[in-house]
Amino acid sequence: EVQLVESGGGQVKPGESLRLSCGASGFIFNNYNMHWVRQAPGKGLEWVSSVSTSSSTFYADSVRGRFTISRDNAKSSLYLQLNSLRAEDTAVYYCARYTSTLGASFDYWGQGTLVTVSS
Amino acid sequence: QSALTQPASVSGSPGQSITISCTGSRSDVGSYNLVSWYQRDPGKAPKLLIYEVTKRPSGVSNRFSGSKSGNTASLTISGLQAEDEADYYCCSYAGSNTFVFGSGTTVTVL
Repeated sequence: EVQLVESGGGQVKPGESLRLSCGASGFIFNNYNMHWVRQAPGKGLEWVSSVSTSSSTFYADSVRGRFTISRDNAKSSLYLQLNSLRAEDTAVYYCARYTSTLGASFDYWGQGTLVTVSS
Repeated sequence: QSALTQPASVSGSPGQSITISCTGSRSDVGSYNLVSWYQRDPGKAPKLLIYEVTKRPSGVSNRFSGSKSGNTASLTISGLQAEDEADYYCCSYAGSNTFVFGSGTTVTVL
């Protein structure tokens, strides 16, 4: 069974940093591009970042230069380093498995981890 | 990277059909047949319903169907059931390895 479990969320002050993790199991992690998607309170889903199987990285304009995505295939883990956090980064952060087999979609998601940025 | 526009809410009676629109631009929905739809129950992870505009993954009910015209994609739920009450999100590939999601639609079964 495919499972994605996020961790690392918490409450921080503006300007501080946080590192999110996503542990994957039930599939060959190395073979999949992985993404982070977030949902701010009362808002819709927002694509944040992705890392390919070859570790190429891509970011939404809203986080580029502040967030860094990475992966550790040996540990089947995905990470998101959040720096210079702002109030508008407050959201539940989900990791999602990308599949090109199902036409550039996200077939498995984690339950999410909450990041709160507040002074 | 502006969010795709969806109606905030759509409602229908059991057995009816409802349609949720998802309006983007020539940079995303209008340029790629890579629109997907997700169902999200409160407290649960999103579930993939539709990919490549019209295709259903194995196990998804055929009551869910997708379409696209120009810059607008649509999700239709036929034979509405109480279990269909949830939030629904569209998503489109937007080029350069980026994606854009919709603002989300809450479906209420009356």
